[in-house]
Amino acid sequence: EAEVAQSPRYKITEKSQAVAFWCDPISGHATLYWYRQILGQGPELLVQFQDESVVDDSQLPKDRFSAERLKGVDSTLKIQPAELGDSAMYLCASSPMARGIETQYFGPGTRLLVL
Amino acid sequence: AQSVSQHNHHVILSEAASLELGCNYSYGGTVNLFWYVQYPGQHLQLLLKYFSGDPLVKGIKGFEAEFIKSKFSFNLRKPSVQWSDTAEYFCAVKGSGGGADGLTFGKGTHLIIQP
Repeated sequence: EAEVAQSPRYKITEKSQAVAFWCDPISGHATLYWYRQILGQGPELLVQFQDESVVDDSQLPKDRFSAERLKGVDSTLKIQPAELGDSAMYLCASSPMARGIETQYFGPGTRLLVL
Repeated sequence: AQSVSQHNHHVILSEAASLELGCNYSYGGTVNLFWYVQYPGQHLQLLLKYFSGDPLVKGIKGFEAEFIKSKFSFNLRKPSVQWSDTAEYFCAVKGSGGGADGLTFGKGTHLIIQP
């Protein structure tokens, strides 16, 4: 069964450093999401892509976070500079299309620890 | 803005006991509702979803949920739990209009089944 791939699985960095996370959605899935899950909370949407276009980035802290999906396939989420409060699990999800009844399929996540 | 409230953060049951996890949502329009599960060491998986039609939906592993529109609720149930049901359970909502369809999650319920 096809799965969403994410790397790295774990990342430790010092505050003020730059970090980047990579996501490869299920083949053929047009919609890609990045969520952040703080320990003890549910995931919160950061950004949604439809193909290579951003559909929703209203919750993305744009002063330090950026996301891209240049060819409409895989995606990178970057934080620069990282802050202590960014320690969390970063989840990527994909679905075949937006505006439908399609399920979002989640990857294993990247756990970030900022020291 | 939509929000999701899960009543219990931690639930401990014995095997064969019946389960009901509460979920209430706040949203002004038509909603799509989901329950996701995260087993220890695994990624988020869909248990069941409601989009329209019969308000009683059945999911995987014997789980079901009932959408009660008048109560803005979507409670998860299972008549007899097993040790393998130990996991984190998340209720989520998505507005059904527009292109932005990221999920809004509750904080989760940590379920522990004692053998």
